[in-house]
Amino acid sequence: SYELTQPSSVSVSPGQTARIACTGTILANRYARWLQQKPGQAPVLLIHRDNERPSGIPDRFSASSSGTTATLTISGVHLEDEADYYCYSSADNGLSLGAGTKLTVL
Amino acid sequence: QVQLVESGGGVVQPGRSLRLSCAASGLTFGSYVMHWVRQAPGKGLQWVATISYDGGNEDYIDSVKGRFSISRDNSENMVYLQMNSLRSDDTAMYYCAGYDFWSGFRDSWGPGTLVTVSS
Repeated sequence: SYELTQPSSVSVSPGQTARIACTGTILANRYARWLQQKPGQAPVLLIHRDNERPSGIPDRFSASSSGTTATLTISGVHLEDEADYYCYSSADNGLSLGAGTKLTVL
Repeated sequence: QVQLVESGGGVVQPGRSLRLSCAASGLTFGSYVMHWVRQAPGKGLQWVATISYDGGNEDYIDSVKGRFSISRDNSENMVYLQMNSLRSDDTAMYYCAGYDFWSGFRDSWGPGTLVTVSS
C-alpha cells in the first residue's frame, strides 16, 4: 500500500493548540482518517471523511484535508490528550497507514 | 451501535496455525471492506490484509503472503484471518477494522485480540 508521512513527535503545553500533519499522494483521492491510541488501549476513531467526528468525540478535535496533506488540530489541549495519533486512508489494495505521532503534553 | 469484536487470539508455537474471527454488528456488513491490522509490542499499526465487501478481492502485506488468508461470511457478519506457519515476528495485537465501500467512510475498529507466537 501507499505510505503516509507524519511527524514522529509533537509537544505542546496544556491549553495550547496542537497540529499534526499527514502527507501522501493517496490523500488527493481518498478520505483521511485519524486514530487516537492511548497506552494499553485499542485505537479510537477520531476523524473520518477528512473532517467529520464520530459521535462522542469532543469538538476540540478537528481536521482538514487539502491536496495531499491532511491536518489534525487539537484545540485547547488537555493532559489526557497525550497519546499516539495515526492517520490512515483506504487504498485500492489495502490500507495506507502513517507511522504515528506521539503527542506529549508538557 | 456499530461494533466489531475479535476473538481467537492466544499463545501458539512457531510453525503452528491460528484462526482469528471478527464479529460485526450494527452495520450493513455486506457493504463493508474489512481489514486486519496488527501492532507488535511497542510498535505502530501495520496493515495486514484486506477483503472486499463481496469477498471477491483480497490483498496482503508481503510478509504474510502465502501464510495468511482473509475470508468473510456475509450471511453471518463475520470476517476471519487464517494464520499458518506462524513466526515470532507475527506476535502482535490484531485489530479488525472496516469501512463502508459505497460511502467511502463510516469506519469502525474492534478492541483487538492478542496473538503470541512463542515456544
